Amino acid sequence: DAGVIQSPRHEVTEMGQEVTLRCKPISGHDYLFWYRQTMMRGLELLIYFNNNVPIDDSGMPEDRFSAKMPNASFSTLKIQPSEPRDSAVYFCASTVGAHNEQFFGPGTRLTVL
Amino acid sequence: SQQGEEDPQALSIQEGENATMNCSYKTSINNLQWYRQNSGRGLVHLILIRSNEREKHSGRLRVTLDTSKKSSSLLITASRAADTASYFCATKETSGSRLTFGEGTQLTVNP
Repeated sequence: DAGVIQSPRHEVTEMGQEVTLRCKPISGHDYLFWYRQTMMRGLELLIYFNNNVPIDDSGMPEDRFSAKMPNASFSTLKIQPSEPRDSAVYFCASTVGAHNEQFFGPGTRLTVL
Repeated sequence: SQQGEEDPQALSIQEGENATMNCSYKTSINNLQWYRQNSGRGLVHLILIRSNEREKHSGRLRVTLDTSKKSSSLLITASRAADTASYFCATKETSGSRLTFGEGTQLTVNP
């Protein structure tokens, strides 16, 4: 298996633009997580899905952030409009079952100018 | 706030020495997990210890869990330069599916 796949790996955009991050989980995994990592705040959970259904979005910072999982093999995290403080590395992770280890993708490094 | 807090924040040792990192947490847990992150990369799962376990080994890794003190430690024996990375503990609470990560320990192993 190729592992969790994220795209793009790097994104540089200007303030106010829409940003879409993509994730393909490991086949057969029923949970998908979106995290954000910054030096100041560490690793934060933004939202997670179980069987394509959003379960906990309490970590989504504000209405500018939205996430979807239209099917078991694809999820998106969208920021509209983007702001410089959104600059971070965004990770997607997937797992099987509620209590097991998570498999992380390589991350998307987002820079908002 | 972060559930897990690692100690120390940074650790620098010589190759061949052992490295010990500690993690404290606040709530009841189902399990505690340790992850490693190399610079610029995603996190990689190292080991999971369940709340009813006290110690677990995997290769050069040894993890202990003391639920009465709400703490865990990760020991890396006979360290190598390639062990240089950030190490995170993550707690899985008894309900829900979220993992809560600590701030990590930056380990540097000097050749």
